[in-house]
Amino acid sequence: DGGITQSPKYLFRKEGQNVTLSCEQNLNHDAMYWYRQDPGQGLRLIYYSQIVNDFQKGDIAEGYSVSREKKESFPLTVTSAQKNPTAFYLCASTRSGNTEAFFGQGTRLTVV
Amino acid sequence: GIQVEQSPPDLILQEGANSTLRCNFSDSVNNLQWFHQNPWGQLINLFYIPSGTKQNGRLSATTVATERYSLLYISSSQTTDSGVYFCAVAITGNQFYFGTGTSLTVIP
Repeated sequence: DGGITQSPKYLFRKEGQNVTLSCEQNLNHDAMYWYRQDPGQGLRLIYYSQIVNDFQKGDIAEGYSVSREKKESFPLTVTSAQKNPTAFYLCASTRSGNTEAFFGQGTRLTVV
Repeated sequence: GIQVEQSPPDLILQEGANSTLRCNFSDSVNNLQWFHQNPWGQLINLFYIPSGTKQNGRLSATTVATERYSLLYISSSQTTDSGVYFCAVAITGNQFYFGTGTSLTVIP
Protein backbone atom coordinates (compact mmCIF):
# COMPACT_ATOMS: atom_id res chain seq x y z
CA ASP A 1 0.00 0.00 0.00
CA GLY A 2 1.21 3.51 -0.78
CA GLY A 3 1.58 5.86 2.11
CA ILE A 4 3.73 7.76 4.56
CA THR A 5 5.44 5.94 7.40
CA GLN A 6 6.70 7.71 10.49
CA SER A 7 8.80 6.03 13.14
CA PRO A 8 8.92 5.60 15.98
CA LYS A 9 5.36 6.18 17.15
CA TYR A 10 6.51 7.23 20.63
CA LEU A 11 9.91 8.63 21.55
CA PHE A 12 11.40 9.68 24.86
CA ARG A 13 14.43 11.91 25.03
CA LYS A 14 16.56 13.14 27.84
CA GLU A 15 17.23 16.85 28.02
CA GLY A 16 20.36 17.82 26.08
CA GLN A 17 20.13 14.95 23.61
CA ASN A 18 19.54 15.14 19.88
CA VAL A 19 16.96 12.78 18.43
CA THR A 20 15.98 11.94 14.84
CA LEU A 21 12.46 11.23 13.65
CA SER A 22 12.01 9.17 10.52
CA CYS A 23 9.61 9.87 7.64
CA GLU A 24 9.44 7.68 4.54
CA GLN A 25 6.95 7.85 1.65
CA ASN A 26 6.33 5.54 -1.29
CA LEU A 27 3.84 7.80 -3.07
CA ASN A 28 6.50 9.13 -5.45
CA HIS A 29 5.73 12.63 -4.17
CA ASP A 30 8.23 15.39 -4.85
CA ALA A 31 7.63 17.50 -1.75
CA MET A 32 7.76 16.60 1.93
CA TYR A 33 6.96 18.58 5.08
CA TRP A 34 7.38 18.47 8.85
CA TYR A 35 4.78 19.93 11.18
CA ARG A 36 4.57 20.25 14.93
CA GLN A 37 1.34 20.07 16.94
CA ASP A 38 0.99 21.16 20.55
CA PRO A 39 -2.02 20.19 22.71
CA GLY A 40 -5.20 21.96 21.65
CA GLN A 41 -3.47 23.66 18.74
CA GLY A 42 -3.27 23.40 15.01
CA LEU A 43 -0.18 22.29 13.13
CA ARG A 44 2.76 24.59 12.50
CA LEU A 45 5.30 24.14 9.69
CA ILE A 46 8.89 23.36 10.73
CA TYR A 47 10.67 22.58 7.44
CA TYR A 48 9.75 21.59 3.92
CA SER A 49 11.53 20.21 0.89
CA GLN A 50 10.30 20.49 -2.67
CA ILE A 51 13.10 18.48 -4.30
CA VAL A 52 15.98 16.27 -3.28
CA ASN A 53 18.96 18.06 -1.70
CA ASP A 54 16.95 21.23 -1.13
CA PHE A 55 14.86 22.37 1.83
CA GLN A 56 13.46 25.57 3.34
CA LYS A 57 12.65 26.74 6.84
CA GLY A 58 9.06 27.01 7.93
CA ASP A 59 7.67 29.22 10.67
CA ILE A 60 9.29 27.41 13.62
CA ALA A 61 12.60 25.98 12.33
CA GLU A 62 14.77 27.03 15.27
CA GLY A 63 16.21 24.02 17.09
CA TYR A 64 15.46 21.61 14.25
CA SER A 65 17.42 20.30 11.25
CA VAL A 66 16.52 18.17 8.24
CA SER A 67 18.09 16.46 5.24
CA ARG A 68 16.68 15.26 1.93
CA GLU A 69 19.20 12.90 0.36
CA LYS A 70 16.55 10.65 -1.17
CA LYS A 71 13.16 11.45 -2.64
CA GLU A 72 11.49 8.95 -0.34
CA SER A 73 12.99 10.12 2.95
CA PHE A 74 12.90 13.34 4.98
CA PRO A 75 14.28 12.81 8.50
CA LEU A 76 13.88 15.49 11.17
CA THR A 77 16.46 16.00 13.93
CA VAL A 78 15.31 17.69 17.10
CA THR A 79 18.44 19.23 18.58
CA SER A 80 19.27 20.19 22.13
CA ALA A 81 18.78 23.81 21.05
CA GLN A 82 15.01 23.28 20.80
CA LYS A 83 13.75 24.73 24.07
CA ASN A 84 10.43 22.91 24.27
CA PRO A 85 10.56 19.80 22.10
CA THR A 86 7.73 17.82 23.72
CA ALA A 87 5.04 17.71 21.01
CA PHE A 88 3.36 15.60 18.35
CA TYR A 89 5.28 15.64 15.05
CA LEU A 90 3.60 14.98 11.71
CA CYS A 91 5.19 14.43 8.32
CA ALA A 92 3.36 15.10 5.06
CA SER A 93 4.00 14.81 1.35
CA THR A 94 2.54 16.23 -1.86
CA ARG A 95 3.08 16.10 -5.58
CA SER A 96 4.49 19.28 -7.09
CA GLY A 97 2.06 22.12 -7.79
CA ASN A 98 -1.06 23.00 -5.80
CA THR A 99 -2.14 19.58 -4.67
CA GLU A 100 -3.51 17.59 -1.79
CA ALA A 101 -1.30 16.84 1.21
CA PHE A 102 -1.18 13.42 2.84
CA PHE A 103 0.04 12.84 6.38
CA GLY A 104 1.78 10.10 8.30
CA GLN A 105 0.52 8.81 11.63
CA GLY A 106 2.84 11.00 13.67
CA THR A 107 5.54 10.65 16.32
CA ARG A 108 4.86 11.69 19.88
CA LEU A 109 8.07 13.04 21.42
CA THR A 110 8.42 13.49 25.15
CA VAL A 111 11.43 15.01 26.90
CA VAL A 112 12.09 13.43 30.28
CA GLY B 1 1.46 34.83 7.83
CA ILE B 2 -2.14 34.13 6.94
CA GLN B 3 -4.67 33.88 9.77
CA VAL B 4 -7.05 30.92 9.81
CA GLU B 5 -10.02 31.02 12.17
CA GLN B 6 -12.32 28.09 12.76
CA SER B 7 -15.69 28.16 14.47
CA PRO B 8 -17.12 26.96 16.68
CA PRO B 9 -14.14 25.79 18.77
CA ASP B 10 -16.22 23.09 20.43
CA LEU B 11 -19.43 21.37 19.38
CA ILE B 12 -21.52 18.71 21.10
CA LEU B 13 -24.21 16.98 19.05
CA GLN B 14 -26.78 14.30 19.57
CA GLU B 15 -26.35 11.40 17.18
CA GLY B 16 -28.33 12.06 14.01
CA ALA B 17 -28.03 15.84 14.17
CA ASN B 18 -26.56 18.04 11.42
CA SER B 19 -23.79 20.61 11.83
CA THR B 20 -21.85 23.27 9.96
CA LEU B 21 -18.22 24.06 10.66
CA ARG B 22 -16.73 27.30 9.38
CA CYS B 23 -13.22 28.32 8.32
CA ASN B 24 -12.34 31.98 7.67
CA PHE B 25 -8.97 33.01 6.27
CA SER B 26 -7.34 36.40 6.00
CA ASP B 27 -5.78 36.28 2.52
CA SER B 28 -6.32 34.82 -0.91
CA VAL B 29 -5.41 31.15 -1.03
CA ASN B 30 -4.67 28.69 -3.79
CA ASN B 31 -5.11 25.58 -1.72
CA LEU B 32 -7.51 24.47 1.01
CA GLN B 33 -8.07 21.16 2.73
CA TRP B 34 -10.33 19.82 5.48
CA PHE B 35 -9.01 17.11 7.79
CA HIS B 36 -10.42 14.98 10.58
CA GLN B 37 -7.97 14.14 13.36
CA ASN B 38 -8.90 10.90 15.07
CA PRO B 39 -8.23 10.15 18.76
CA TRP B 40 -4.87 8.57 17.85
CA GLY B 41 -3.72 11.78 16.19
CA GLN B 42 -3.88 10.70 12.58
CA LEU B 43 -5.02 13.34 10.08
CA ILE B 44 -7.55 11.93 7.66
CA ASN B 45 -8.16 13.80 4.41
CA LEU B 46 -11.77 14.83 4.00
CA PHE B 47 -11.74 17.33 1.15
CA TYR B 48 -9.27 19.07 -1.10
CA ILE B 49 -11.37 22.09 -1.99
CA PRO B 50 -9.66 25.37 -3.00
CA SER B 51 -12.99 26.45 -4.52
CA GLY B 52 -16.46 25.14 -5.26
CA THR B 53 -18.52 22.41 -3.62
CA LYS B 54 -17.85 18.72 -3.06
CA GLN B 55 -19.78 15.93 -1.40
CA ASN B 56 -18.69 12.60 0.01
CA GLY B 57 -21.44 10.62 1.65
CA ARG B 58 -22.75 12.46 4.71
CA LEU B 59 -20.07 15.13 4.41
CA SER B 60 -19.93 18.04 2.05
CA ALA B 61 -17.82 21.17 1.78
CA THR B 62 -18.04 24.54 0.08
CA THR B 63 -15.27 27.08 -0.41
CA VAL B 64 -16.01 30.64 -1.53
CA ALA B 65 -12.48 31.80 -2.23
CA THR B 66 -13.47 35.36 -3.18
CA GLU B 67 -15.09 35.81 0.25
CA ARG B 68 -12.33 33.92 2.08
CA TYR B 69 -14.28 31.21 3.81
CA SER B 70 -15.05 27.52 3.65
CA LEU B 71 -17.80 25.45 5.24
CA LEU B 72 -17.88 21.79 6.19
CA TYR B 73 -21.31 20.18 6.55
CA ILE B 74 -21.86 16.99 8.52
CA SER B 75 -25.30 15.43 8.21
CA SER B 76 -26.83 12.66 10.31
CA SER B 77 -23.83 12.68 12.64
CA GLN B 78 -22.52 9.44 14.13
CA THR B 79 -20.37 8.80 17.18
CA THR B 80 -17.49 7.91 14.87
CA ASP B 81 -17.55 11.51 13.58
CA SER B 82 -16.15 12.66 16.94
CA GLY B 83 -12.69 14.21 16.87
CA VAL B 84 -11.10 17.45 15.80
CA TYR B 85 -11.73 18.97 12.38
CA PHE B 86 -9.03 21.14 10.87
CA CYS B 87 -9.06 23.55 7.99
CA ALA B 88 -5.69 24.18 6.33
CA VAL B 89 -4.88 26.77 3.66
CA ALA B 90 -1.87 27.63 1.52
CA ILE B 91 -1.07 30.90 -0.21
CA THR B 92 1.65 29.54 -2.47
CA GLY B 93 2.61 25.97 -3.06
CA ASN B 94 1.57 23.49 -0.42
CA GLN B 95 2.97 25.07 2.75
CA PHE B 96 -0.21 24.90 4.81
CA TYR B 97 -1.40 27.12 7.64
CA PHE B 98 -3.78 25.38 10.01
CA GLY B 99 -6.63 26.71 12.10
CA THR B 100 -6.94 25.66 15.75
CA GLY B 101 -9.70 23.23 14.89
CA THR B 102 -13.27 22.42 15.89
CA SER B 103 -13.57 19.70 18.51
CA LEU B 104 -16.71 17.66 17.79
CA THR B 105 -18.30 15.26 20.25
CA VAL B 106 -21.26 13.18 19.08
CA ILE B 107 -23.19 11.55 21.89
CA PRO B 108 -25.48 8.52 21.43
